[in-house]
Amino acid sequence: AIRMTQSPSSLSASTGDRVTITCRASQGISSYLAWYQQKPGKAPKLLIYAASTLQSGVPSRFSGSGSGTDFTLTISCLQSEDFATYYCQQYYSYPPALTFGGGTKVEIK
Amino acid sequence: QVTLRESGPALVKPTQTLTLTCTFSGFSLSTSGMCVSWIRQPPGKALEWLALIDWDDDKYYSTSLKTRLTISKDTSKNQVVLTMTNMDPVDTATYYCARIESPPDAFDIWGQGTMVTVSS
Repeated sequence: AIRMTQSPSSLSASTGDRVTITCRASQGISSYLAWYQQKPGKAPKLLIYAASTLQSGVPSRFSGSGSGTDFTLTISCLQSEDFATYYCQQYYSYPPALTFGGGTKVEIK
Repeated sequence: QVTLRESGPALVKPTQTLTLTCTFSGFSLSTSGMCVSWIRQPPGKALEWLALIDWDDDKYYSTSLKTRLTISKDTSKNQVVLTMTNMDPVDTATYYCARIESPPDAFDIWGQGTMVTVSS
């Protein structure tokens, strides 16, 4: 199974900061990577798919990059509503053996 | 508008079988490309993919849980059912269903989740 490793597992940041989260796949997954945002008690919400394509309705301060094994989620100017946990997920393996990263919690400094 | 909603028991006893239902609207699981998956999340932990069923009734399971899971669909009722046998306290989690519109692709719409506690 493809393993997804996120770093850091948590970070503290202030409103207005630029935040970068990294996701590494244990083998190449081309651009078959998604990013989700999850707030406490809520379901995950799709932010980015195909490594860099913004889901409809997601603010442009979110961006994704990477291909192969190394990927990045960037929040250019952190807003109060962005404090949440973020997960990466690969969907390269098909028939599906879908895997998520361990999550990155973005907390208020 | 596409929506999914999970339903099932909030509490099950160890060794029992869990049956969860995902009722959806706004799309048809008979449409080519459509898939519905189950994902779970233990309290304070990461997401774990469990199973997927597609428009052609093909079924796929997590390798680690394959022997305990069964996924099925009732297209006429717009429902997907997941059963998990031999429940254990480590299976305590929020269980989500989610849609994939045309695999391979991300989960674009998620249900709100249903919390299941396994305890005697």
